Amino acid sequence: NAGVTQTPKFQVLKTGQSMTLQCAQDMNHNSMYWYRQDPGMGLRLIYYSASEGTTDKGEVPNGYNVSRLNKREFSLRLESAAPSQTSVYFCASSGQGYTEAFFGQGTRLTVV
Amino acid sequence: SQKIEQNSEALNIQEGKTATLTCNYTNYSPAYLQWYRQDPGRGPVFLLLIRENEKEKRKERLKVTFDTTLKQSLFHITASQPADSATYLCALDLYSSASKIIFGSGTRLSIRP
Repeated sequence: NAGVTQTPKFQVLKTGQSMTLQCAQDMNHNSMYWYRQDPGMGLRLIYYSASEGTTDKGEVPNGYNVSRLNKREFSLRLESAAPSQTSVYFCASSGQGYTEAFFGQGTRLTVV
Repeated sequence: SQKIEQNSEALNIQEGKTATLTCNYTNYSPAYLQWYRQDPGRGPVFLLLIRENEKEKRKERLKVTFDTTLKQSLFHITASQPADSATYLCALDLYSSASKIIFGSGTRLSIRP
């Protein structure tokens, strides 16, 4: 089973460039999440999606947009990258009710 | 403001001892609380979940307690081993009609032989 798959694994962007991080899960989960993790800090929730067609802001949504394309896929877009967005980004999904989150392997993004 | 706090410093203990990690939260009313393990360069991996109406949960050498009055969870690893060295993350699920999972900053645990 693939679980949660993120692409790309590594990316370097110049300030002002845009890019989309892709995430797909094959567990038929309703909820999907995007987090960022900075050194010495835990995971901070950027956006989440409770079901196909719905998205909500998390703790740190500024500078990001998301799309829940279908039940499987949840993408994160940086329209104009800034050095402050240098981070490791994790996508996760969880099922209905009292269940845990499953994480992808992460995308290490550097904005120069 | 809403906050989840874990032991801010790394925890360094001797093999065989019990490691105890703390998670405190303010201004949240979580439906349940989870603990995850994260190894360097990897995504977090789920360990245990405890619901708001449960006081304690066990799984092998792991034990979690949840006190909603104190707004605190304790995570214990008994008979600790060097392989238990990792960062441990506390997470709250603010579940109502759907999950919204928020994480603490994590505690780095090192078990020395």
